[in-house]
Amino acid sequence: DSGVTQTPKHLITATGQRVTLRCSPRSGDLSVYWYQQSLDQGLQFLIQYYNGEERAKGNILERFSAQQFPDLHSELNLSSLELGDSALYFCASSVLGQGGYEQYFGPGTRLTVT
Amino acid sequence: DQQVKQNSPSLSVQEGRISILNCDYTNSMFDYFLWYKKYPAEGPTFLISISSIKDKNEDGRFTVFLNKSAKHLSLHIVPSQPGDSAVYFCAASRGNTGKLIFGQGTTLQVKP
Repeated sequence: DSGVTQTPKHLITATGQRVTLRCSPRSGDLSVYWYQQSLDQGLQFLIQYYNGEERAKGNILERFSAQQFPDLHSELNLSSLELGDSALYFCASSVLGQGGYEQYFGPGTRLTVT
Repeated sequence: DQQVKQNSPSLSVQEGRISILNCDYTNSMFDYFLWYKKYPAEGPTFLISISSIKDKNEDGRFTVFLNKSAKHLSLHIVPSQPGDSAVYFCAASRGNTGKLIFGQGTTLQVKP
């Protein structure tokens, strides 16, 4: 158990819908990262938050957004869903928001868009 | 552009032998490297890391070697155990944000 929790574990929804994925980091970790794992793309970095502020962005679609709340939990919002958004979404946390620190991953949310 | 590459999709070794997983990178600005292990339907589990100022880091059965001139790192598992069977990912980061760039993974099978 990494100490990072993600809910829900599975999500099935239809095209065009909007969903919210939730992540709670390990106790004491200030930085949260979101990654997407699809069959053909491997693990891809989406976005990072550090202590409530956006720190870095990857190839995140404009339909996707995230935020980190004062209690440090984070939510990833996916809207106008398409079939290609079906993937595993992982959240990771680390103590600081810079390199040189290990990231610990949650169990992931499997999103299926039908 | 794949900045981190794991060119072997799979590897099979006998229990008790050494497993060597390889990873190449192209960006000389990477300064921290990590290996993760992943079972199906679970998140990646951190194994071991190495800073670019070192060339070797050891933790129990796991050793990571870094060759900066060749932009190559490897993970050695000695001795290999059946429970090591999983997908192994190498990842790299730069100092300013820590976002990880992952390789495509290598599936390791350790046969009893």
